[in-house]
Amino acid sequence: SYVLTQPPSVSVAPGETARVTCGGDNIGSKGVHWYQQKPGQAPILLIYYDSDRPSGIPERFSGFNSGDTATLTISRVEAGDEADYYCQVWDRNGGHPVVFGGGTKLTVL
Amino acid sequence: QVQLQESGPGLVKPSQTLALTCTVSGGSISTGGSYWSWIRQHPGKGLEWIGYIYYGVSTYYNPSLKSRVIISVDMSKNQFSLRLSSVTAADTAVYYCARLPHDWGQGTLVTVSS
Repeated sequence: SYVLTQPPSVSVAPGETARVTCGGDNIGSKGVHWYQQKPGQAPILLIYYDSDRPSGIPERFSGFNSGDTATLTISRVEAGDEADYYCQVWDRNGGHPVVFGGGTKLTVL
Repeated sequence: QVQLQESGPGLVKPSQTLALTCTVSGGSISTGGSYWSWIRQHPGKGLEWIGYIYYGVSTYYNPSLKSRVIISVDMSKNQFSLRLSSVTAADTAVYYCARLPHDWGQGTLVTVSS
């Protein structure tokens, strides 16, 4: 089945830019969704289909997908951005159509 | 925006069947094109997709759980349900229902223990 690989952790200082990657074989050919999950809370959708933002999601959150890597970029990081971030794709050609990455813990220093 | 709410027992005995219901509000479950999904998260771990039902009849399950899972829809109640049979302690997790990718329920902890 299709595998998505995320770094376990990313650290960034407040005000800086954080980049969370999601690697997969030719992931650029798939639509990638990104979720944010804070402790004790359900995931929320941050980015869908590579780069679209749902209403209410700040412009500081952006996405890009090409080749074998999708990237979630968080600009001007705030303390409140500290959370786990998950990527997800649809793999309709396989027997496991919904695939999540293992998640990345973002720490704001 | 669609809201989802999980309900069901928080404690299930080993070898029994875990049964959860997701009540949908703010939208109709019969609307085509939505993937009504169940996802779980073991304590301290990542997200694991269980399965989804599409257009009210087409179901797709995680191959690792397929032999034990049934997802169904009750359109008259605007609900969809999860049944996971022969549970063990390894099925202890927070279970989420979702309209992937957009809307998620708050999640419900299910503990498998005698």
